[in-house]
Amino acid sequence: GDSVTQMEGPVTLSEEAFLTINCTYTATGYPSLFWYVQYPGEGLQLLLKATKADDKGSNKGFEATYRKETTSFHLEKGSVQVSDSAVYFCALSDSGGSNYKLTFGKGTLLTVNP
Amino acid sequence: DVKVTQSSRYLVKRTGEKVFLECVQDMDHENMFWYRQDPGLGLRLIYFSYDVKMKEKGDIPEGYSVSREKKERFSLILESASTNQTSMYLCASSTAGTGDEGEQYFGPGTRLTVT
Repeated sequence: GDSVTQMEGPVTLSEEAFLTINCTYTATGYPSLFWYVQYPGEGLQLLLKATKADDKGSNKGFEATYRKETTSFHLEKGSVQVSDSAVYFCALSDSGGSNYKLTFGKGTLLTVNP
Repeated sequence: DVKVTQSSRYLVKRTGEKVFLECVQDMDHENMFWYRQDPGLGLRLIYFSYDVKMKEKGDIPEGYSVSREKKERFSLILESASTNQTSMYLCASSTAGTGDEGEQYFGPGTRLTVT
């Protein structure tokens, strides 16, 4: 079945540091890929997505590129801020049906210190 | 602004009680989902629904049931709560339209403690 593996946390960085959170996946077909973010005390919200190979999703300074050859979708940000402290989830959707279920990774906790 | 609301942020119940968690969305979405979130395990799908009165089991349906009588409302029921059901429960919804596949909108979560 489908699965998502993302780097285990927690990840602790200083403000303005470079961020990479690795994500690899296993899926049949041609999934869409997502990064969701969960700020403290809140539900998840979509951060960015890519629907086909070589697409780059970007939002709020974060980027991720859909790499079919390496089955990866690594999240990057050039300069993190304290406000980026959150849990980040990589996910895939195998949209073969009409229900669009998501398979999530286990999440990576990011803490950014001033 | 899109909205998914859950009936309670925090809930404490006793072992053996019947527990209802309610979720309402105002976006006219076809799909609705219930997840539980546990440290080190991420999000696991309990049940989902793609239409009124339709439901399908997710990855961990044991001990849970659901009800969807109206399009905007999706309820999760714990028939007889047990301590291993202590968790954060997240509801989500999504459209069935093309172009938005996988974009789920989440509620703030209900932290359930069963004692």
